[in-house]
Amino acid sequence: SQQGEEDPQALSIQEGENATMNCSYKTSINNLQWYRQNSGRGLVHLILIRSNEREKHSGRLRVTLDTSKKSSSLLITASRAADTASYFCATDAQGAQKLVFGQGTRLTINP
Amino acid sequence: SQTIHQWPATLVQPVGSPLSLECTVEGTSNPNLYWYRQAAGRGLQLLFYSVGIGQISSEVPQNLSASRPQDRQFILSSKKLLLSDSGFYLCAWSAAAYEQYFGPGTRLTVT
Repeated sequence: SQQGEEDPQALSIQEGENATMNCSYKTSINNLQWYRQNSGRGLVHLILIRSNEREKHSGRLRVTLDTSKKSSSLLITASRAADTASYFCATDAQGAQKLVFGQGTRLTINP
Repeated sequence: SQTIHQWPATLVQPVGSPLSLECTVEGTSNPNLYWYRQAAGRGLQLLFYSVGIGQISSEVPQNLSASRPQDRQFILSSKKLLLSDSGFYLCAWSAAAYEQYFGPGTRLTVT
């Protein structure tokens, strides 16, 4: 069964605006991760937030985690055309050596 | 630094033909290794993962198989390809169940 589900499926904004993507999951986790994928390429790890953390920052990225609602959000501030990509959340099942990825949010930044 | 290689980059194969995709990792020892498949515009489906030489866990029943003949080599195979095997195949490695690092992928088209 799918663990992570992103919302929205697609998002189109103007350059300079902020982009927010959400992820919901079903079971208890140790950590939640966000990845980025440019078209036709492999995924690149962006940020990891542990289950005992509520917020984490990395450059223009801000991730929040609400374990009571089993949800996370990724905020990209001051978006750039180069941020155009698909973004995936991934969760680990406690005790498992694997991740489960959501279906992704396709983000388009218009110049 | 660690690097991950996948080949070939693209492959067009007829239905019923065999398949062999190779993934190798450099710069780390005893990594966890993963094979994913991604349909166009979709998320990642975990196919196989391995926590050590000769240890393969299968996630989805299908006509694919995986092998890990060496510590840093992971091979995805099929004896007879189906049309439904078309997709983008990604190999990844990780140290335990944390960040995963992806290869560039193989685009497989079964005709």
